[in-house]
Order: sequence, then structure tokens, then C-alpha cells
Amino acid sequence: AQRVTQPEKLLSVFKGAPVELKCNYSYSGSPELFWYVQYSRQRLQLLLRHISRESIKGFTADLNKGETSFHLKKPFAQEEDSAMYYCALSPRSGSARQLTFGSGTQLTVLP
Amino acid sequence: DGGITQSPKYLFRKEGQNVTLSCEQNLNHDAMYWYRQDPGQGLRLIYYSQIVNDFQKGDIAEGYSVSREKKESFPLTVTSAQKNPTAFYLCASSTPTSGAYNEQFFGPGTRLTVL
Repeated sequence: AQRVTQPEKLLSVFKGAPVELKCNYSYSGSPELFWYVQYSRQRLQLLLRHISRESIKGFTADLNKGETSFHLKKPFAQEEDSAMYYCALSPRSGSARQLTFGSGTQLTVLP
Repeated sequence: DGGITQSPKYLFRKEGQNVTLSCEQNLNHDAMYWYRQDPGQGLRLIYYSQIVNDFQKGDIAEGYSVSREKKESFPLTVTSAQKNPTAFYLCASSTPTSGAYNEQFFGPGTRLTVL
């Protein structure tokens, strides 16, 4: 069975400080990993996916298969980054491509 | 802000009653999903449908039912058999392909409260 763990329910950092949101996963095959974000009063939306190797809003995430981790990082946090962040996993192949979500981390960036 | 709409935004139900949550999309997506969001538990998959007239159970399907008679619509019924139905319900859609994963687009959600 696939599982996504986000060990921190709440995370607070000061503006300008580096931030790292942790995500660990367990999956027997080769997964696709994602970060979704939900800003206050907005819909849940995709932030980034590991396969694209992109940086969105200054955030990056590297898939570490040895440690089965996909931590989200940003070198200088901004107040507008305050949101709920969900790490998610999907099988890379097969007909059932549904997502398995972690429990989420509420990030607060303090002024 | 169209794409996926859910109605109503808030819903109150008495114990023992069934209630149906609406989800409509105009994105021409093949796949649709229902999730339940509880504090501290993230999103859990209830049901999903990859094509019209077909759907599969997710991780927590007990006490729920769905239908997919039209591509645009995927209503969720919360039955009286669902022991703890008070939650925030999210609908999503995507267009799966055989290649790279396509992102899921989410609706605004319906908050269901059982009185």
C-alpha cells in the first residue's frame, strides 16, 4: 500500500528565513510525487511535480529515492507563502492514477 | 472562476437522512474524484470515475454512493450508513493520459454538517 507522511502539522518561520516542509513516502513501485497548496479562501491547487523539475514561486522539491523523501524547500520565505501544503503520490503507470495525500502542513510565515 | 463547481457550499443534514452533493465540470475531463478532508488527516479518496458509467471505490467508500451518467457530473450521496459524515468534501477532475500525469483540478468544496 502507498502512504505519504508529513510529520509537521504546523510550521512557522520568519519572513526571509529558509523553509523546508518534510514529506516521506512508502510505495513499492516507481511513484510520481507532487506538492499541492491551499491558500486561505482558495481552492486546492498543484504547486509542483517532481517529474517537471521546476521551481514554482521559488519553491523546489527533490525526489530522494534512497530516503524516500520529497521535501519542499524555499530559501527565503514570504508572507504570501502562508498556506496549507499537501504532499501527494501517484503510481507512475497503470490505469488507476489516483492520488494519495499526506495529512498536510500548515505553514505560517511571520512578518 | 469556473471549471469545477460544487453545490451547495454549506449543507446541514439530520441524522438518518441521505444527502446528495453536486459536482459539475466544464473542462471536458474524463476522470472525476471525490475526497473527504478532515483536520489532521489530509484528503482521503472516497470514489473516482475514469469514464462515464464507470466508477471505483476509493479508500473510504463505505456509507457513500456515486453515479456518473454524464461526463460533466459526478454527484456524491452521503447515506445514513456513513457513521461520521460531518466533513469538508472536495471534488476534482483530470484528464488521464497514458503518459505523464495530468494534474487534478479541485472544486471549492462543500461543508457538510450533521445535526
